[in-house]
Amino acid sequence: RKEVEQDPGPFNVPEGATVAFNCTYSNSASQSFFWYRQDCRKEPKLLMSVYSSGNEDGRFTAQLNRASQYISLLIRDSKLSDSATYLCVVKWSGGSYIPTFGRGTSLIVHP
Amino acid sequence: EAQVTQNPRYLITVTGKKLTVTCSQNMNHEYMSWYRQDPGLGLRQIYYSMNVEVTDKGDVPEGYKVSRKEKRNFPLILESPSPNQTSLYFCASSTRTGGNQPQHFGDGTRLSIL
Repeated sequence: RKEVEQDPGPFNVPEGATVAFNCTYSNSASQSFFWYRQDCRKEPKLLMSVYSSGNEDGRFTAQLNRASQYISLLIRDSKLSDSATYLCVVKWSGGSYIPTFGRGTSLIVHP
Repeated sequence: EAQVTQNPRYLITVTGKKLTVTCSQNMNHEYMSWYRQDPGLGLRQIYYSMNVEVTDKGDVPEGYKVSRKEKRNFPLILESPSPNQTSLYFCASSTRTGGNQPQHFGDGTRLSIL
């Protein structure tokens, strides 16, 4: 079984802090990567795709490290509204591109 | 508005009483999927469908059935629900499984089986 692993946390950080999460994947043939955000009891929502060269969207930066088989999400200048669970998603061709979800990392931003 | 619609949003029912959770998407997506989410276990895939009349088991299919007679609809059927199927359920769809295509999720259905 191909796995996607995340530290469940919670990560407790003050407003304004920079926080980073990693997600490791076991299949070197993995091809597509995403970060989703999920608020309590709500549906997961796409935060950002992760591209090979890394990509940034405002305060959020996603990186891919194929050699070490992990992706990362960096959040700068954390806001209270960033408090949520962040899910890592990986797809690989051998799995018919069926997305595999990590269990999520919980972030709590406090005043 | 592009969306995935699940019904009902909440349901409390009793053991053994057949129920169906509907899922409909208006984006002409080929791929649809059902997940359940339980504390500490994350999202687990129940069934998925690559296209009309094509369905496959996910990680936790026992006790569930699905059908895909039309592209837009992917109902989840619990023929004889049991308390261990009490959970939060999500339906999701995407244009195709390959490539950089993210999934779109419904709002979720909270089922309680007494």
